[in-house]
Amino acid sequence: DARVTQTPRDKVTEMGQEVTMRCQPILGHNTVFWYRQTMMQGLELLAYFRNRAPLDDSGMPKDRFSAEMPDATLATLKIQPSEPRDSAVYFCASGLGTGGFNGEQFFGPGTRLTVL
Amino acid sequence: SQQGEEDPQALSIQEGENATMNCSYKTSINNLQWYRQNSGRGLVHLILIRSNEREKHSGRLRVTLDTSKKSSSLLITASRAADTASYFCAPSYNTDKLIFGTGTRLQVFP
Repeated sequence: DARVTQTPRDKVTEMGQEVTMRCQPILGHNTVFWYRQTMMQGLELLAYFRNRAPLDDSGMPKDRFSAEMPDATLATLKIQPSEPRDSAVYFCASGLGTGGFNGEQFFGPGTRLTVL
Repeated sequence: SQQGEEDPQALSIQEGENATMNCSYKTSINNLQWYRQNSGRGLVHLILIRSNEREKHSGRLRVTLDTSKKSSSLLITASRAADTASYFCAPSYNTDKLIFGTGTRLQVFP
């Protein structure tokens, strides 16, 4: 049963600390998305990758957020320094696309981040 | 904005009743997808309907698409308490992105 996995599931940290969230996409999927969900803003796309290359990170605050794919089995989202307004649930999703991606996305369980 | 807009924002029904949710969007699409999110969980893909399709079924789900009105509807028949969740539509344009709306919160009472 192929699934997207995310770690940690919950993270509580203090303002100013670095936070790293990890995602393992489904094996064989070449497109990975990072989303953030809050009550106020809903589900926002932060960034996405195709074949490990970043294609769009326009939804991400550049000064403190960074996203990478060190290899095909790992995507990371880092916040440094973290702020209380970063508190949200962060989702990773993966899918299979060639040339453009219009298909189904498979979501992970999310990382609930609380910044105090 | 390219996001889909779901209507109603919230819906409460009794088990066994049908639930209908609507989605409107702004410009021409390649396809439109519906997702479900149970409380505290990630989104789960329900159904994808292409722009040249008018209706699609999956179990108790029926999705329709009217490209002339730029709208779609999701019908859940014979609802169950387990259908309680938020439902999102996501229009897909000529990009890789899905832009999710704010969703319809469905509550099904036993």
